[in-house]
Amino acid sequence: DAKTTQPNSMESNEEEPVHLPCNHSTISGTDYIHWYRQLPSQGPEYVIHGLTSNVNNRMASLAIAEDRKSSTLILHRATLRDAAVYYCIRTSGTYKYIFGTGTRLKVLA
Amino acid sequence: SQTIHQWPATLVQPVGSPLSLECTVEGTSNPNLYWYRQAAGRGLQLLFYSVGIGQISSEVPQNLSASRPQDRQFILSSKKLLLSDSGFYLCAWSGGGRNQPQHFGDGTRLSIL
Repeated sequence: DAKTTQPNSMESNEEEPVHLPCNHSTISGTDYIHWYRQLPSQGPEYVIHGLTSNVNNRMASLAIAEDRKSSTLILHRATLRDAAVYYCIRTSGTYKYIFGTGTRLKVLA
Repeated sequence: SQTIHQWPATLVQPVGSPLSLECTVEGTSNPNLYWYRQAAGRGLQLLFYSVGIGQISSEVPQNLSASRPQDRQFILSSKKLLLSDSGFYLCAWSGGGRNQPQHFGDGTRLSIL
C-alpha cells in the first residue's frame, strides 16, 4: 500500500516545538516525501519536501530516517495559526502524490 | 507569479444532472495538472492527472471524466451525477516530477441532492 500512516490527532502548547510523525515503510528509493497542511474549506498548502537528507525552510524542518521508512515534520515554535490538518505524502512514480489521512494538530493557547 | 483558479466555489446539483468544473493556471507553462476529491473529514483521493494537452491518466474508475483542451486548462466532467459524487474537489498543478511541490486551488464544494 502506497499510503502513509499518521496519528489522527495531536496537541501542542503554543510557543513549543511540535514533532509530527509519519510512517512510509514501503517507500521506494526514488519516492519523495512531501508535507502539506490544510485549513478548513481550503486547498492544502505546501510545507516542505525531501528525499534522503534533512531539510529546513522558513516554515518547518523535515527529518528523514536513515532507512527512509519514516519521517518527522518539526514545527519549531507552534502558533495558533499552525492549527491545521497536516498531510504526509509520498510520491509514486514520476507524477503521482499519494495522500494519507493526515494528523489534525490542535494548538493550545 | 503562478496562480491557480477554480470555479465555482460552491455548487449544488440534482442527481442525474451533468457536471463541469474548470481549473486554470497562470504564470507557468506545461504544468502537470491534477484533480482530487476529498470526502468530509477524510484525506485527498487522486482522481486524474495530466502531463500534457490531451493526455489524461485516470486513477479511480468512477462516474467522472477529465479533459485538458489547453496547456493550462483542466476540466472535470460528469454526464450524470450520483449522490456519491458529493465532496470537495481540488485542482492542483506542479512544475515537473516528484521533486516539485504541488500548488492547490481553493476547491469546489459539490453537494448532490
